[in-house]
Amino acid sequence: GQNIDQPTEMTATEGAIVQINCTYQTSGFNGLFWYQQHAGEAPTFLSYNVLDGLEEKGRFSSFLSRSKGYSYLLLKELQMKDSASYLCAVSDSNYQLIWGAGTKLIIKP
Amino acid sequence: ETGVTQTPRHLVMGMTNKKSLKCEQHLGHNAMYWYKQSAKKPLELMFVYNFKEQTENNSVPSRFSPECPNSSHLFLHLHTLQPEDSALYLCASSQDLGGNNEQFFGPGTRLTVL
Repeated sequence: GQNIDQPTEMTATEGAIVQINCTYQTSGFNGLFWYQQHAGEAPTFLSYNVLDGLEEKGRFSSFLSRSKGYSYLLLKELQMKDSASYLCAVSDSNYQLIWGAGTKLIIKP
Repeated sequence: ETGVTQTPRHLVMGMTNKKSLKCEQHLGHNAMYWYKQSAKKPLELMFVYNFKEQTENNSVPSRFSPECPNSSHLFLHLHTLQPEDSALYLCASSQDLGGNNEQFFGPGTRLTVL
């Protein structure tokens, strides 16, 4: 079957760095997405990786290793507004998105 | 209006009621999706439409009936639902299917079935 694993919850301190991991087993691979979802709001797109390596976008970076079925989202200089759930999703061989259950990130002052 | 809108935002219904959820996208996208989001569970893809033709139906019970009259509008008709159908129903759209086409989500309809 298809499976996406990510930690349920993480806690970090304002101003620090946090890495949210995602491992996947899917039938085919056509890219990996990260989305941010604040409580009570819609998910919003953060990043897309289809080739191995690191993609940097401001305070957020996303890494992919296709051979290991692994990705991480790196958040630097954490701000209180970064408190949210972070969703990992893989596009499978049919271009359907397979979603993880999300990682709830709690930022403490 | 911009982006993806959904109405109503909240809905409470009995198991014998019939109701409809509405989604509208103002982005000129060709693909639209219905998802179910339950607490602490992954997003579940329910239906996919591309150029208003249904391309996916992920084993969704017949008590959920989608309708896509054009590329900008998507409906989800509900009838004889069960309490376990209570969840957040999200609509999304993307320019096309596949590849790096990011999906844009609406705010969702919080559905409670009594």
